Amino acid sequence: NAGVTQTPKFQVLKTGQSMTLQCAQDMNHEYMSWYRQDPGMGLRLIHYSVGAGITDQGEVPNGYNVSRSTTEDFPLRLLSAAPSQTSVYFCASSYSTQYEQYFGPGTRLTVT
Amino acid sequence: QKEVEQDPGPLSVPEGAIVSLNCTYSNSAFQYFMWYRQYSRKGPELLMYTYSSGNKEDGRFTAQVDKSSKYISLFIRDSQPSDSATYLCAMSGSGSGGYNKLIFGAGTRLAVHP
Repeated sequence: NAGVTQTPKFQVLKTGQSMTLQCAQDMNHEYMSWYRQDPGMGLRLIHYSVGAGITDQGEVPNGYNVSRSTTEDFPLRLLSAAPSQTSVYFCASSYSTQYEQYFGPGTRLTVT
Repeated sequence: QKEVEQDPGPLSVPEGAIVSLNCTYSNSAFQYFMWYRQYSRKGPELLMYTYSSGNKEDGRFTAQVDKSSKYISLFIRDSQPSDSATYLCAMSGSGSGGYNKLIFGAGTRLAVHP
């Protein structure tokens, strides 16, 4: 099992550009989520999905879109990048939040 | 006010010391409490998991939950340099957002020096 994979590992964007962060898992987990991690802020939930076709907002959803067309994939789209979106982004998956969440290695995003 | 408060540290201790890490929370609906460990430039990994109140022990690690005080702790006995990492508490429960939203503390950076 590869677990949770994320691409790219690093990305630099200019303000206003759009991009998609990829996340995939091969553990057949129904629950997937996206977090951002900023210094002193811990992990903050952006969006999550409890299964294919079902998504919902987390704490900080503004400026991000998600979709879940398959169990395996959960991409995160930045529509118009802003410097405030400079962060480390983690994708995670689990059977549910009551169980262990497995995290990917993260994507370091810088918006200039 | 944040739902989950955690002192970011850093906390520096000598090898062999007992380490105490803590979080407080405001949402009395939280029922699932977890501790994640995150090494530098890596994703977090689950260390301990507790449901409701009480203690749980796993080797050198003990997790405690006091729901009456809205306070959780992680104790590390005989700390080792390999324990140097950031420790994040996390919790979920019923109420707004429900069980599908895991709320994290800011994380405490721990350094264990030989």
